[in-house]
Amino acid sequence: KQEVTQIPAALSVPEGENLVLNCSFTDSAIYNLQWFRQDPGKGLTSLLLIQSSQREQTSGRLNASLDKSSGRSTLYIAASQPGDSATYLCAVNAYGGSQGNLIFGKGTKLSVKP
Amino acid sequence: EAQVTQNPRYLITVTGKKLTVTCSQNMNHEYMSWYRQDPGLGLRQIYYSMNVEVTDKGDVPEGYKVSRKEKRNFPLILESPSPNQTSLYFCASSFQGISYNSPLHFGNGTRLTVT
Repeated sequence: KQEVTQIPAALSVPEGENLVLNCSFTDSAIYNLQWFRQDPGKGLTSLLLIQSSQREQTSGRLNASLDKSSGRSTLYIAASQPGDSATYLCAVNAYGGSQGNLIFGKGTKLSVKP
Repeated sequence: EAQVTQNPRYLITVTGKKLTVTCSQNMNHEYMSWYRQDPGLGLRQIYYSMNVEVTDKGDVPEGYKVSRKEKRNFPLILESPSPNQTSLYFCASSFQGISYNSPLHFGNGTRLTVT
């Protein structure tokens, strides 16, 4: 059964620092991997989607990479800002299981201090 | 504005009193899904729908029902709520099924408390 793990559970950094969030998954047979952002009291916002055939995706200061063979993805945030403070979740859509099901990690809570 | 709308945002009810949480999207999306989010357990899928009249169970479907009579609406029904269904619920949609590499759009959530 696919399991998704995110480490660390929480991270605090000073403003301006570049940072990396980690996501690992147990089954490399996936259709895609998505990174989401969740603000308190709000729903999730899709940040980046990496297809299984891709190695990375970029949007502004965000860059997500995917290494299926090792079951890992990273989300790189450049020049962090206080507005980046949120919980970041990754999720995979795996072969074999339900095609309609995304399996989520429990998230990394990021705090960027001014 | 393109969005997924859930109602109500907050709901307090008593054990056994049937309730419905509505979800509507205005993006002509085929795929819709319900998740619950609990501390320490993360997000878990309840039900999903690949298109009108097509629904399937997720990881935690017990105690819930859904229907997809129209493309835009996907209500979540709790026939006899129990305290262990106290949770934060999210509806989500995407243009096609998530296996087709369509990003998932989420509503703002419904916080349900069952006493």
